[in-house]
Amino acid sequence: DAKTTQPPSMDCAEGRAANLPCNHSTISGNEYVYWYRQIHSQGPQYIIHGLKNNETNEMASLIITEDRKSSTLILPHATLRDTAVYYCIVRLIGTASKLTFGTGTRLQVTL
Amino acid sequence: GAVVSQHPSRVICKSGTSVKIECRSLDFQATTMFWYRQFPKQSLMLMATSNEGSKATYEQGVEKDKFLINHASLTLSTLTVTSAHPEDSSFYICSASGLAGAGETQYFGPGTRLLVL
Repeated sequence: DAKTTQPPSMDCAEGRAANLPCNHSTISGNEYVYWYRQIHSQGPQYIIHGLKNNETNEMASLIITEDRKSSTLILPHATLRDTAVYYCIVRLIGTASKLTFGTGTRLQVTL
Repeated sequence: GAVVSQHPSRVICKSGTSVKIECRSLDFQATTMFWYRQFPKQSLMLMATSNEGSKATYEQGVEKDKFLINHASLTLSTLTVTSAHPEDSSFYICSASGLAGAGETQYFGPGTRLLVL
């Protein structure tokens, strides 16, 4: 599986958009980009995933560059409850393939 | 999203005893379940992958005789930590996948915190 690179930490003011970047320059054509988050002492929560088109759901938006070498997760209006570690993971298509977790980005949302 | 539960949420046991952790997919049939372990201030590490009705595939360095995995049905997988020792104290998390559609998203349980005294 391709590896990803994320900044170790970010801060965001409550009510503002949080933009979390991820580099995956070695991603292959049969790999999705997945985002999960883990709030302290809980299991990871699925947020969103995409292949090459931008995606949006009730939690977030995912913007994938045209060359697919990087992506950005956008939380449009961050709240204190969005404070968590966010993981960007690339995963093979079409199989129940495993997720390889890196160190993620620790997002701190502040008042 | 799909719901995955784990039981118990936390367990304390004496060294040398065995502990069983259950992972259930509540509203979907999980063809594949995964078991992870997370030590304090570290990321999740995959321990093993199990498919319903077949033997689990363990990651390198994970002792299959110590961490017994059973995936007897499409909604239940169990992890048994045999002869637990203090170094096995950790946060154990399962995930399940099997929904129709591209990618077969993995959904995670809430985790089980194991403390071995």
